[in-house]
Amino acid sequence: DVKVTQSSRYLVKRTGEKVFLECVQDMDHENMFWYRQDPGLGLRLIYFSYDVKMKEKGDIPEGYSVSREKKERFSLILESASTNQTSMYLCASTSDRIRNQPQHFGDGTRLSIL
Amino acid sequence: GNSVTQMEGPVTLSEEAFLTINCTYTATGYPSLFWYVQYPGEGLQLLLKATKADDKGSNKGFEATYRKETTSFHLEKGSVQVSDSAVYFCALSDPGYSTLTFGKGTMLLVSP
Repeated sequence: DVKVTQSSRYLVKRTGEKVFLECVQDMDHENMFWYRQDPGLGLRLIYFSYDVKMKEKGDIPEGYSVSREKKERFSLILESASTNQTSMYLCASTSDRIRNQPQHFGDGTRLSIL
Repeated sequence: GNSVTQMEGPVTLSEEAFLTINCTYTATGYPSLFWYVQYPGEGLQLLLKATKADDKGSNKGFEATYRKETTSFHLEKGSVQVSDSAVYFCALSDPGYSTLTFGKGTMLLVSP
């Protein structure tokens, strides 16, 4: 079974802090994604990556950056956290070798910015 | 661009009732369609998928048929259980791409 692990289930940070959310997958997947989930808005794509050191902006990249130094790890960075970034963050991965494969999700990190 | 519209919730049902959650989409070409489920406190899990018109995806008693003529992918289950209480997301991906476009989710609450 594919395992996508997010480093924290709950995180509380202060406004202006630099925040790192980590995600690791164990299935050698090429593609990795970061979403945020908010009530009434569903899931919105922040950034994704098709390969090591490669990144693409999603629908709402403002205020975020990402890092993919190794294939299995994809980090989301909040450069200077703000209260409107309080949300549930979900990481996902999928293989690029076979078409129409589903994304596999981690359990999420609930981030609160005070 | 692509979009997915699903019925707003919460949908409240008694155990053993019939379930339908509507999902319609807008996309260019022939997307793949998915239903994901999110149980409380967890991430999303794939429930079922369909990759071409008239395909029927099924899993755990849930079914959905890819209807190209009505651009729909409605989720159905004949007899729901309390354990089906969760949030259900309809999603699509363009062929050849791995990014997903999600609907806003529909919460299902099943009472004994």
